[in-house]
Amino acid sequence: QSVLTQPPSVSGAPGQRVTISCTGSSSNIGAGYDVHWYYQLPGTAPKLLIYGTSNRPSGVPDRFSGSKAGTSASLAITGLQAEDEADYYCQSYDTSFGGTTVFGPGTKVTVL
Amino acid sequence: DVQLVESGGGLVQPGGSLRLSCAASGFTISAYWLHWVRQGPGKGLVWVSRINSDGSRTGYADSVKGRFTISRDNAKNTLYLQLNSLRAEDTAVYYCTRASSRIAENDYWGQGTLVTVSS
Repeated sequence: QSVLTQPPSVSGAPGQRVTISCTGSSSNIGAGYDVHWYYQLPGTAPKLLIYGTSNRPSGVPDRFSGSKAGTSASLAITGLQAEDEADYYCQSYDTSFGGTTVFGPGTKVTVL
Repeated sequence: DVQLVESGGGLVQPGGSLRLSCAASGFTISAYWLHWVRQGPGKGLVWVSRINSDGSRTGYADSVKGRFTISRDNAKNTLYLQLNSLRAEDTAVYYCTRASSRIAENDYWGQGTLVTVSS
């Protein structure tokens, strides 16, 4: 069982807005640790999408945005495009058990 | 360009050992924390281990503690993971990644190396 929880899947039509939640606890997101987001296409390595909760690396479109409130974080994709169909993972740091990096279980985004 | 290239994966019997390597280029690893993250077949990402910039501090997931050992050779710009007492559940693609600190994002990832534990 993951320390961070995400919905298994979300879907939307092209052009729509979808959000992916990442729910943690007082030992990770709620403790003030940043949330990072990655996307992964089948058969490829994950790529950084959002870092420090709401920052985009160079080259990531501004259609992607991140936010955090309390013990949860969210990734929003506006103007959904076919190439956004991928798996998305959130990541944070957890102070339990001596301090570990933790990932959410991943969310499959399907573009209808 | 920043590159991380893993090697050393393969088929190994339960109880066996493997040593994974991750050769870095385009940057000097001595300035970075390095991590191993694995992904089982059809599964999500799971953090495995980390090592700080000079190799003095390491951390492991409970599932691999006592069996896996992370190390680095900054002179060779290379990260390692020694996998001992392998189990079927260790079957996964193993990725090496870099981060600027213990809690920072993993900004670059290798392409991964597949470890298959089976008799």
